[in-house]
Amino acid sequence: GQNIDQPTEMTATEGAIVQINCTYQTSGFNGLFWYQQHAGEAPTFLSYNVLDGLEEKGRFSSFLSRSKGYSYLLLKELQMKDSASYLCAVMDSNYQLIWGAGTKLIIKP
Amino acid sequence: DADVTQTPRNRITKTGKRIMLECSQTKGHDRMYWYRQDPGLGLRLIYYSFDVKDINKGEISDGYSVSRQAQAKFSLSLESAIPNQTALYFCATSDPTQEAGELFFGEGSRLTVL
Repeated sequence: GQNIDQPTEMTATEGAIVQINCTYQTSGFNGLFWYQQHAGEAPTFLSYNVLDGLEEKGRFSSFLSRSKGYSYLLLKELQMKDSASYLCAVMDSNYQLIWGAGTKLIIKP
Repeated sequence: DADVTQTPRNRITKTGKRIMLECSQTKGHDRMYWYRQDPGLGLRLIYYSFDVKDINKGEISDGYSVSRQAQAKFSLSLESAIPNQTALYFCATSDPTQEAGELFFGEGSRLTVL
């Protein structure tokens, strides 16, 4: 079966750095996405990785290792507004998105 | 105004009732999707449509039906609602010509079936 694993919840301090991991087992791979979802709101797109390596976008970076079936989202200089759930999703060989259950990130002052 | 609009935003109904959730978009995207989100689970795809004449079942289509009335409109129906269909429902669109082809979500429709 297809599976996306990410931690259920993480806590970090304002101003610090946090890394949210995602491991996947899917039938084929056509890209990995990270979305941010604030409580009660719609998910919004953060990043897309299709090749190995690091993609940096401001305070957020996303890393992919296809051989290891592994990705992480790195958030720097954490702000209170970064408190949200972070969803990892992989596009399989049929171009269908497989979603993880999300990681709830709690930021403390 | 939001690019992807869902109505109603909240709905409480009773078992056995017919419910329609509507989605309209101004992004000009051909591809539209309906997902449900339950606590502790990933988003699950119910139905998707790649153009007006194309409708496809997702992983959890049982108990649901859809209609693609126009490029901009995609509605989801629950013919006879049951309590385990209580969930947060999202409509989404995408443009496959963009590099990532990411999804653009509506604000969500929270449905409670008593």
